[in-house]
Amino acid sequence: EVQLVESGGGLVQPGGSLRLSCAASGFTFSSYWMHWVRQAPGRGLVWVSRMNRDGSSTNYADSVKGRFTISRDNAKNTLYLHMNSLRAEDTAVYYCARENWGNYFFDYWGQGTLVTVSS
Amino acid sequence: QSALTQPASVSGSPGQSITISCTGTSRDVGGYNYVSWYQQHPGKAPKLMISEVSNRPSGVSNRFSGSKSGNTASLTISGLQAEDEADYYCSSYTSSSIKFGGGTRLTVL
Repeated sequence: EVQLVESGGGLVQPGGSLRLSCAASGFTFSSYWMHWVRQAPGRGLVWVSRMNRDGSSTNYADSVKGRFTISRDNAKNTLYLHMNSLRAEDTAVYYCARENWGNYFFDYWGQGTLVTVSS
Repeated sequence: QSALTQPASVSGSPGQSITISCTGTSRDVGGYNYVSWYQQHPGKAPKLMISEVSNRPSGVSNRFSGSKSGNTASLTISGLQAEDEADYYCSSYTSSSIKFGGGTRLTVL
C-alpha cells in the first residue's frame, strides 16, 4: 500500500525556518517525481515545488523561490522541504504528493502537516 | 502564476448532473492534455478523480467524467449523490510547474 506521511509542521515566528519531511512507503520512491502542494486555511490548493527522481532537477513556485528548497534522500525514501525566511502568508497545510510517471498528475497524497507562521 | 478559473460554487439535487468548468490559457489548459481533477472533503487530503483530461483512475465511479475544449476543461458528475458534496480542483501542467484552479464547492441539495 502506497503511503506518504508528512511531519515537521508547527508554529514558527516570521523570519524563521522549518524543515518538513515526507516518508514514503509501499512503492519504489526513487522512480517517481515528488511534489509539495500547500493549502492555506479556507483556501485552495497551491503548487509549491517538485523534484525529479534522482534529485538533479527542481522547480519552484515564484512565491517561494529563493526561500524554500526541496530535496530527497532516496536511501531513506524521504522527501524534504526546507523553508527559510517564513512569512505569515506561508501558513498552510503542506502536502507531499507523488506524480504519476511524468504525467503531471498526483495519484497519491499525504495527509498533510500544518505550518503556522505567527509571532 | 495566476490560478485557473473555476466557479466558486455549484449545486444540484440528487440524481441530477452538474458540470464544473476550468478555464486557463493556451500556455496551460489549452496547450497540454495534462488536466486533472481532484476531490477534497473537509479536513481530508485531495483525491484524484480524473487525469489527463478524461482518464478515470480505477476505483473512481464512472459517474465522473472529464473533457476539454480549447482553453477550458470540464468535470461532469452525473447521478449526483450526497457523498459527492465536496470541493473540486482542476490542475494543469504549465512550463515546468503545476497550476491549480481556485476550487469549486459542490453542494448536493
